[in-house]
Amino acid sequence: NAGVTQTPEFQVLKTGQSMTLQCAQDMNHEYMSWYRQDPGMGLRLIHYSVGAGITDQGEVPNGYNVSRSTTEDFPLRLLSAAPSQTSVYFCASSYSGTGLVEAFFGQGTRLTVV
Amino acid sequence: SQQGEEDPQALSIQEGENATMNCSYKTSINNLQWYRQNSGRGLVHLILIRSNEREKHSGRLRVTLDTSKKSSSLLITASRAADTASYFCATDALSMDSSYKLIFGSGTRLLVRP
Repeated sequence: NAGVTQTPEFQVLKTGQSMTLQCAQDMNHEYMSWYRQDPGMGLRLIHYSVGAGITDQGEVPNGYNVSRSTTEDFPLRLLSAAPSQTSVYFCASSYSGTGLVEAFFGQGTRLTVV
Repeated sequence: SQQGEEDPQALSIQEGENATMNCSYKTSINNLQWYRQNSGRGLVHLILIRSNEREKHSGRLRVTLDTSKKSSSLLITASRAADTASYFCATDALSMDSSYKLIFGSGTRLLVRP
């Protein structure tokens, strides 16, 4: 099992560009989520999904879109990149969204917007 | 705002000493989890404690939960240099669709000096 795989690992964007951060899991987890982590801070929830076709907003959703067409994949789209979106992005998955089980994390995508 | 807040923000101890980190949260929870992050990499689950539990052990880890004070503590005994990492608490938050969102605190940076 690869677990949770994020691509790319590093990315530099110019202000106004769009891009998609990829996240895939091979554990048949229902629940997937995206977080961002800024220097010296904890993780803030951007969007999450409790299953294919179902997504919802987290704490900081503005400027980001998500979709969940399959159980395995949960891409995060930056619509028009801004310097404030410079951050490390983590994707996580867990067996269910009941909060009763551990979350598995990818290794992160380090995004710089110039 | 984030659900959980860790204290202290940073902790430096000598190898062999015990390390204690505290987490306070704001709303009722079903469970509380602790995660570890090495050098900005993906988070790794350490331990989960349910709201009806008061104490839990796993190896050198001891977690306590006081729901009346909305607080938890993580104790690492006989610390090793390899324990150097950031430690985060995470609590579940019930969403409108009856699923749970995992919300993280700001973390404690632990340095164990050889």
